[in-house]
Amino acid sequence: GIQVEQSPPDLILQEGANSTLRCNFSDSVNNLQWFHQNPWGQLINLFYIPSGTKQNGRLSATTVATERYSLLYISSSQTTDSGVYFCAVERWAGGSYIPTFGRGTSLIVHP
Amino acid sequence: EPEVTQTPSHQVTQMGQEVILRCVPISNHLYFYWYRQILGQKVEFLVSFYNNEISEKSEIFDDQFSVERPDGSNFTLKIRSTKLEDSAMYFCASSRDYDNEQFFGPGTRLTVL
Repeated sequence: GIQVEQSPPDLILQEGANSTLRCNFSDSVNNLQWFHQNPWGQLINLFYIPSGTKQNGRLSATTVATERYSLLYISSSQTTDSGVYFCAVERWAGGSYIPTFGRGTSLIVHP
Repeated sequence: EPEVTQTPSHQVTQMGQEVILRCVPISNHLYFYWYRQILGQKVEFLVSFYNNEISEKSEIFDDQFSVERPDGSNFTLKIRSTKLEDSAMYFCASSRDYDNEQFFGPGTRLTVL
C-alpha cells in the first residue's frame, strides 16, 4: 500500500515561532487532508488540499502532487497549536478510495 | 455548522463482550467511515460504507467487526467479541461524495478489560 511519511516526528517551539511540517507519500494520490488532533483527541480538519495552496489565518498548506509531498505552515505559533498534526491521503484502488494516515508530527508550543 | 456525532464518548467493557459504537453522520453525506487509533499511534482505516454496502475494508476489519446503517441517520460499528487489543479510540467520519473532504466525529474511547 501507499506509504505516508511525516517529518519531523516531534517539534518543540516557543510561542511566536514559525514552523513547517512535511508529508511525503510514495504514490500518486487523489485526495489529501491535514488534521490537528488536540489534547482531547479530537481530529480537527485543517485543509482539504489534493493540490495547490490554501491559507486559513495563521495556517497555510501547499501540496505538490507531481512531486508527492505536502507542506503545512504554522506562523506565529500559539500554545493552542499544540497537539499532533496528521496528514491523510486517499488513492483510488479498484473502485474505492483507501485512506492512509501518516504517523503525525507532535507539536508542543511553550509560552 | 453540521457535525458528526458519536456515542458513547467512553465505553468500558469486559473481554469477550459485544459492543456497539454509534455515529450520526452529517445529514447530506453519502459516504461513511470507521477508523481506529490505538493510544499513541496513527489513525488506521477500518471500513468505508456507501449505499448500504461496504465499499472497502482493511485487513483489521475481520469477522468480529460489522457495520450497519439501521435507519436514515445512524451508522454503527459492532465488535462481536472484544479483545484486549481492541482498546482504542474509534472515529466515525462522513463525506458528501467519494472524493470529498471527510469530517470526523469526536471519537469513542473503548477500553477492554
